[in-house]
Amino acid sequence: DARVTQTPRHKVTEMGQEVTMRCQPILGHNTVFWYRQTMMQGLELLAYFRNRAPLDDSGMPKDRFSAEMPDATLATLKIQPSEPRDSAVYFCASASLIRGPTDTQYFGPGTRLTVL
Amino acid sequence: GEDVEQSLFLSVREGDSSVINCTYTDSSSTYLYWYKQEPGAGLQLLTYIFSNMDMKQDQRLTVLLNKKDKHLSLRIADTQTGDSAIYFCAESLDRDDKIIFGKGTRLHILP
Repeated sequence: DARVTQTPRHKVTEMGQEVTMRCQPILGHNTVFWYRQTMMQGLELLAYFRNRAPLDDSGMPKDRFSAEMPDATLATLKIQPSEPRDSAVYFCASASLIRGPTDTQYFGPGTRLTVL
Repeated sequence: GEDVEQSLFLSVREGDSSVINCTYTDSSSTYLYWYKQEPGAGLQLLTYIFSNMDMKQDQRLTVLLNKKDKHLSLRIADTQTGDSAIYFCAESLDRDDKIIFGKGTRLHILP
């Protein structure tokens, strides 16, 4: 049963600390997304990659957030320095057009980040 | 720009039908989705519909699409306590494109 995995599932840190979230997309999926969910803003896209190249990161605060795909099996989202307003659930999702017309985007379980 | 609107709350008696409505602005959206999120949990894809369809039924779920009015609805027949959750309407240009989500409708089940 293929699924998107995310680590850690929960993270509590202090303001100013660096936070790294990891995502393993479904094997064979070539598009990876990072979404953030907060009470105020709801679900919003931060960035996404296709074939490891960034396509759109306009939703991401550039001064403190960075997203990368070191290889096809790993996507990372880093916040440095973290701030309390970054507290949210961060979802990773992956997708592919190659797997057939009925395949859609699959979401990971999320990383719940709390910045004190 | 892209926008998805839905009402924030809906209360329904157990056993009745729930209808959650949504409007979207991007007429070029090809995929329209309904996701379910239970408290503290991730996003579960309930169903989706292609923009060239006007209805899709899957067991207790019925999705209706009015493309002219850019209106999407989700009907849950025989609503049960396990249906209590937040339901997100969403759209994308293609299935490997970014998804634009509504703010979610919180469905509350009355005994």
